[in-house]
Amino acid sequence: QVQLVQSGSELKTPGASVKVSCKASGYTFTSQAMNWMRQAPGQGLEWMGWINTNTGNPTYAQGFTGRFVFSLDTSVSTAYLQISSLKAEDTAVYYCARGRGDFWGQGTLVTVSS
Amino acid sequence: DVVMTQSPLSLPVTLGQPASISCRSSQSLVYSDGNTYLNWFQQRPGQSPRRLIYKVSKRDSGVPDRFSGSGSGTDFTLKISRVEAEDVGVYYCMQDAQDPYTFGQGTKLEIK
Repeated sequence: QVQLVQSGSELKTPGASVKVSCKASGYTFTSQAMNWMRQAPGQGLEWMGWINTNTGNPTYAQGFTGRFVFSLDTSVSTAYLQISSLKAEDTAVYYCARGRGDFWGQGTLVTVSS
Repeated sequence: DVVMTQSPLSLPVTLGQPASISCRSSQSLVYSDGNTYLNWFQQRPGQSPRRLIYKVSKRDSGVPDRFSGSGSGTDFTLKISRVEAEDVGVYYCMQDAQDPYTFGQGTKLEIK
């Protein structure tokens, strides 16, 4: 069965970096794109962008350029989201989702606080 | 960017009664391949979102048939024929017809 398992919660100080992983199983990893979404506390869903799992080419939504990087390790069927120069407003749950959203990870809470 | 507008934002419903959520897009969601890329997601409290409906009206595997999607162009609806307790949560429409993909604000369904 298809599963996306994300890494655990992170507590970071402002200015630090974080790398969230999303390990896929139950299907051919390179057959579907991987999307990333953000959900700030008590707020709605926001699409951050996606990465082509064949070419590694990322596409970022406006507002998620510069400090946000999508990457892959196809040898372990894992997608990554790295956020640098963290700010308090990056505090959110980050989700990966396969393709057009038929399967989602369980979410990773990133808390940025001094 | 395509703006997705949902209504209502809050939806109190009596158990066993129907419910309906509207979603309007600022642009047509018909893609060049002829398909209309409009999805509905359910997010139960404390859980990840789950896709219920894709391409306007196609139900995902395992989704109860009391959920149905309809609409065309820029005007879409999610209907629940008889609300059950497990349907409590927030419902989002999302378009993936064009980058950037965009979500509606969410509709919170609660039991009256």
